[in-house]
Amino acid sequence: GAVVSQHPSWVICKSGTSVKIECRSLDFQATTMFWYRQFPKQSLMLMATSNEGSKATYEQGVEKDKFLINHASLTLSTLTVTSAHPEDSSFYICSARALFEDTQYFGPGTRLTVL
Amino acid sequence: QKEVEQNSGPLSVPEGAIASLNCTYSDRGSQSFFWYRQYSGKSPELIMSIYSNGDKEDGRFTAQLNKASQYVSLLIRDSQPSDSATYLCAVGGYGQNFVFGPGTRLSVLP
Repeated sequence: GAVVSQHPSWVICKSGTSVKIECRSLDFQATTMFWYRQFPKQSLMLMATSNEGSKATYEQGVEKDKFLINHASLTLSTLTVTSAHPEDSSFYICSARALFEDTQYFGPGTRLTVL
Repeated sequence: QKEVEQNSGPLSVPEGAIASLNCTYSDRGSQSFFWYRQYSGKSPELIMSIYSNGDKEDGRFTAQLNKASQYVSLLIRDSQPSDSATYLCAVGGYGQNFVFGPGTRLSVLP
């Protein structure tokens, strides 16, 4: 149990375009989802926390207008990278947590390359 | 500022040996502790969680928690080359975000 999927697994886009990444909890209801970014050989960096039906809470230094997060249902959260630039190229990973639990289950990640 | 520290790596052990990974945390109010394994280029996968002082065993893995010393460890018995990965310690509590350690890279040599 506790499976989280992400789509797409990788994406290449041109500078200036927007990219949407989906995160789904397949076998449980995720009241909270988290979005992380990881650069090569570095640790996970939490970008934002989203609760179903509420606005996301962004970590300091993360531009909320650039990284749009929507947690519209208990099984789906989306991250949209708007006007992507090469410096946004990274590994984006979501995780999900069920109500009354504190374990986070991670999705497989999305590798974004902006040309 | 809540902090989680892990022993600096890389840690190299021969195949079949015991690998010992350590983690200390600063927030005494922390209630839950997790070990994740992350292979290069992949996302973290949960190995174990531990909530109470003492040992918790799952196959070749044993997590140890000492809240008084604010210390949690992961022992891997009979290490295999497939255990070579980065191990992340995460500390949290109900309703709280995780605080991750920087990770320890383990290399099991055949």
